[in-house]
Amino acid sequence: SQQGEEDPQALSIQEGENATMNCSYKTSINNLQWYRQNSGRGLVHLILIRSNEREKHSGRLRVTLDTSKKSSSLLITASRAADTASYFCATNGGATNKLIFGTGTLLAVQP
Amino acid sequence: GAVVSQHPSWVICKSGTSVKIECRSLDFQATTMFWYRQFPKQSLMLMATSNEGSKATYEQGVEKDKFLINHASLTLSTLTVTSAHPEDSSFYICSASSGGRGANVLTFGAGSRLTVL
Repeated sequence: SQQGEEDPQALSIQEGENATMNCSYKTSINNLQWYRQNSGRGLVHLILIRSNEREKHSGRLRVTLDTSKKSSSLLITASRAADTASYFCATNGGATNKLIFGTGTLLAVQP
Repeated sequence: GAVVSQHPSWVICKSGTSVKIECRSLDFQATTMFWYRQFPKQSLMLMATSNEGSKATYEQGVEKDKFLINHASLTLSTLTVTSAHPEDSSFYICSASSGGRGANVLTFGAGSRLTVL
């Protein structure tokens, strides 16, 4: 079942600008993760934020989590052309490591 | 780091034939693997959870007789698309957790693109 909705569906920015993507989900979670997918390839894990955390940083990535609103955001600062990809949020809510993915945001960074 | 290998990376088959896709954890043991399906420009849909030594757990709406999953060892899970039809054409991706401190993070294979003629 589809858990998360992401917006925007697509985002086009210039190199050096910041990119913000939002994710909303429906049920309670243990953690929320962000993954990146280059066209036609597998997914790469970017960052995980636990349900008791509100913000997390990793390099140029900043993730926030608001469990009261069941939403998360991913901020990529100082974007690069190589950041062009699809970005997905994924939620983990049960005893297993099963992840349910959001609808994704297609990011295009223009050089 | 943890590596998951999928084979084949792409396959073309005739309608009515069966296709097997392998998913291997190369440097770790995975008691649980997950199979996802992705249509073009869409998100990943979880199909089933593959459990080593026991039956797979299928998500609602996924036909277990159509998508056979076998997890015979701690490093190998297979997905067989039986009697494939053009609507089964999709990108199939497996994933696994290496456990330990990274137990909640999944490592994904590169995916297998199936085209049914």
